[in-house]
Amino acid sequence: NAGVTQTPKFRVLKTGQSMTLLCAQDMNHEYMYWYRQDPGMGLRLIHYSVGEGTTAKGEVPDGYNVSRLKKQNFLLGLESAAPSQTSVYFCASSTPTGRVTDTQYFGPGTRLTVL
Amino acid sequence: GESVGLHLPTLSVQEGDNSIINCAYSNSASDYFIWYKQESGKGPQFIIDIRSNMDKRQGQRVTVLLNKTVKHLSLQIAATQPGDSAVYFCAEIRSNRDDKIIFGKGTRLHILP
Repeated sequence: NAGVTQTPKFRVLKTGQSMTLLCAQDMNHEYMYWYRQDPGMGLRLIHYSVGEGTTAKGEVPDGYNVSRLKKQNFLLGLESAAPSQTSVYFCASSTPTGRVTDTQYFGPGTRLTVL
Repeated sequence: GESVGLHLPTLSVQEGDNSIINCAYSNSASDYFIWYKQESGKGPQFIIDIRSNMDKRQGQRVTVLLNKTVKHLSLQIAATQPGDSAVYFCAEIRSNRDDKIIFGKGTRLHILP
């Protein structure tokens, strides 16, 4: 099993550009999450999904959109990137029972810089 | 990643010694706690968890202690090894309410040779 993978690993954007971050998991997990991690702060939840075709807002959803067209993939989109979105983005998935107390498995992260 | 760790408190420990990393949590309603390890350039990795009906839980070389009175959580690592170098952070969850997870900022553990 590859676990949770993220594409790309690094990206530099100019303000106003758009991009999509891809997260894939091969563990048949129902729940998937997108977080951002900023210096001096804990992980913050952007959006999450409790199953294929469903998405929900997290703590900091503004400026991002997500889609879960396939169970194994969770996409995070930035329609018009802003410097405030410079961060490290982590995707995670959790075990099939879907309870938050289930272990979340994290991907390796995507480092995004917006100039 | 490295840029996250630059702003964190650092604990330096001699290789072979025991490490104690502390975490103060915010909500008395939180009933489930997790410790994560994040190595440089990697995603967080689950280490150990504890429910609020317990005071102590032990794993392999790690022990988590929970003091609900002062809302304090600690992670003890026995016989610290070079591979333990990482950022460690706690997370609190209110599983009986809204399932919201709050992640701590973390502590960088630096192992001295």
